[in-house]
Amino acid sequence: NAGVTQTPKFQVLKTGQSMTLQCAQDMNHEYMSWYRQDPGMGLRLIHYSVGAGITDQGEVPNGYNVSRSTTEDFPLRLLSAAPSQTSVYFCASSYSSPKAEAFFGQGTRLTVV
Amino acid sequence: DAKTTQPTSMDCAEGRAANLPCNHSTISGNEYVYWYRQIHSQGPQYIIHGLKNNETNEMASLIITEDRKSSTLILPHATLRDTAVYYCIVRVAYSGNTPLVFGKGTRLSVIA
Repeated sequence: NAGVTQTPKFQVLKTGQSMTLQCAQDMNHEYMSWYRQDPGMGLRLIHYSVGAGITDQGEVPNGYNVSRSTTEDFPLRLLSAAPSQTSVYFCASSYSSPKAEAFFGQGTRLTVV
Repeated sequence: DAKTTQPTSMDCAEGRAANLPCNHSTISGNEYVYWYRQIHSQGPQYIIHGLKNNETNEMASLIITEDRKSSTLILPHATLRDTAVYYCIVRVAYSGNTPLVFGKGTRLSVIA
């Protein structure tokens, strides 16, 4: 039982490049989400999904795309990386219950130069 | 927007109880209070949650005032490993699909 796995752990991109941050969970959780965290700040929600085939935007969705083709995976795509997207990205998953605890991955540290 | 107010930082002596306050004066009757913490740059970790009754688990206790406008997270015997940023979050109780909205939290420093 690996929990929530994010890959890669570190990534450096050049401005304009695209890439996909991977997130996988093995707990059969319906709910998954992506956050970004800038230095000294709290986490801000980018996108979330309540189940396979269903996604919705969070607080800061611009510049990011998501899809949810399986229950296990929720990849985050950066379409054209910008320096403002330099951040630490966290993926989370939970059961769809208001009492359910959310499990977070260890994060992907992304630098865009 | 976060619906909670927390102090920016707090110190606590090792072995003593750490009491972290949270103000949520606009909380609705159907909203839970959640606490998460983030140690260094790791992913946040769930601690505890409650609706209106006090709650206790192996990590902490949660005390919610009768009017539910504030709460206190209590770490009974703080250790150096409890140094972290603690987030207080309110979330509607009728749906599990409502995202967790994080504020800036309280940075707790446990001092030897």
